[in-house]
Amino acid sequence: DADVTQTPRNRITKTGKRIMLECSQTKGHDRMYWYRQDPGLGLQLIYYSFDVKDINKGEISDGYSVSRQAQAKFSLSLESAIPNQTALYFCATSDSGVRETQYFGPGTRLLVL
Amino acid sequence: AQSVSQHNHHVILSEAASLELGCNYSYGGTVNLFWYVQYPGQHLQLLLKYFSGDPLVKGIKGFEAEFIKSKFSFNLRKPSVQWSDTAEYFCAVSTGGGNKLTFGTGTQLKVEL
Repeated sequence: DADVTQTPRNRITKTGKRIMLECSQTKGHDRMYWYRQDPGLGLQLIYYSFDVKDINKGEISDGYSVSRQAQAKFSLSLESAIPNQTALYFCATSDSGVRETQYFGPGTRLLVL
Repeated sequence: AQSVSQHNHHVILSEAASLELGCNYSYGGTVNLFWYVQYPGQHLQLLLKYFSGDPLVKGIKGFEAEFIKSKFSFNLRKPSVQWSDTAEYFCAVSTGGGNKLTFGTGTQLKVEL
């Protein structure tokens, strides 16, 4: 969905490096999410944010941190990357009702050597 | 916490065959149900969703799904698949508290000519 963009689309880094993945949306949604996708495991929620001042841990937040710089921007950081963080990372957004659909960005493929 | 099971991990069909992908969830309360599709190299796209009302939901590209509350199921169907339906299919569930999604592990569908 062109309304949700992620940068970079691909990234190779080395163990121990700090990296940041960025997500921007033009849908005007309050809620934003970060997921990682591993083969055979589906998508797992890392962090989510219901508004700029409300950030929450998901299922697998260890080793990650996030920053909600504005309603439209939600960044995911790996403070010290490790090889098992090699995965496909998706950002998603939704409106703030109970019955809202999440819309996904194109993903960032991360390889940690 | 809710969980989602997709029992078919890999499905191979010939064109024009009928498709049914299973999805079961574990949660006793009100749920919102989704099917997402991920074409090779692309991001997740919404196929269809169920919030309430008619348990038979029609989505894009000829897909439909039926919510059977007594069986905690939301199976995806298509009467006649096409080669272009080759993709990975994810079932997801959210409950009333903030529309966080729990995903199944996905079903990889390959349609052969």
